[in-house]
Amino acid sequence: NAGVTQTPKFRILKIGQSMTLQCTQDMNHNYMYWYRQDPGMGLKLIYYSVGAGITDKGEVPNGYNVSRSTTEDFPLRLELAAPSQTSVYFCASSYAGYEKLFFGSGTQLSVL
Amino acid sequence: GQQVMQIPQYQHVQEGEDFTTYCNSSTTLSNIQWYKQRPGGHPVFLIQLVKSGEVKKQKRLTFQFGEAKKNSSLHITATQTTDVGTYFCAGPNSGYSTLTFGKGTMLLVSP
Repeated sequence: NAGVTQTPKFRILKIGQSMTLQCTQDMNHNYMYWYRQDPGMGLKLIYYSVGAGITDKGEVPNGYNVSRSTTEDFPLRLELAAPSQTSVYFCASSYAGYEKLFFGSGTQLSVL
Repeated sequence: GQQVMQIPQYQHVQEGEDFTTYCNSSTTLSNIQWYKQRPGGHPVFLIQLVKSGEVKKQKRLTFQFGEAKKNSSLHITATQTTDVGTYFCAGPNSGYSTLTFGKGTMLLVSP
């Protein structure tokens, strides 16, 4: 049982480039989330999904997009990368809203 | 919007000393969760508290939920180097199916 799997683990982007962070879970969870973590700032919610075909903005959605075509996958798209998007990104899932979160191992992204 | 505040931001203790981190919410919470993140790792769920005044123990860790359900604490007795990491509290975000995380308390334990 793999849980929540994120790829890649590390990535360096140039300003203006685009990329997709992949996230997949094998626990049949309906709820999936993307957080970013900056030093000393905790975890900030970017986007979340309560089921396939349904997504919604979190606290800091600007510069990102998501899709949820299947229960398992919840990719995060960065268009026109900016230095402010340098961060560690975590994908998470839960059985239901407000239930405990299972996190992936994270993606460390640098935009230079 | 809802705010969840944690203090202290950072604490450095000698192995064997006790440690406490506090979490305060601007609104009443239906439950509160605690997570631990080891350096370079990802947050891992520790516990969820639901009832007013609830106290739960996990070995050397004691978790409390306030009577008004607006604050919580995590106390570690006789810290060990394996306790090093950042401890986060998180509460449900009213109106959303999500959690709001505090900024965390980073614990460093010196042998």
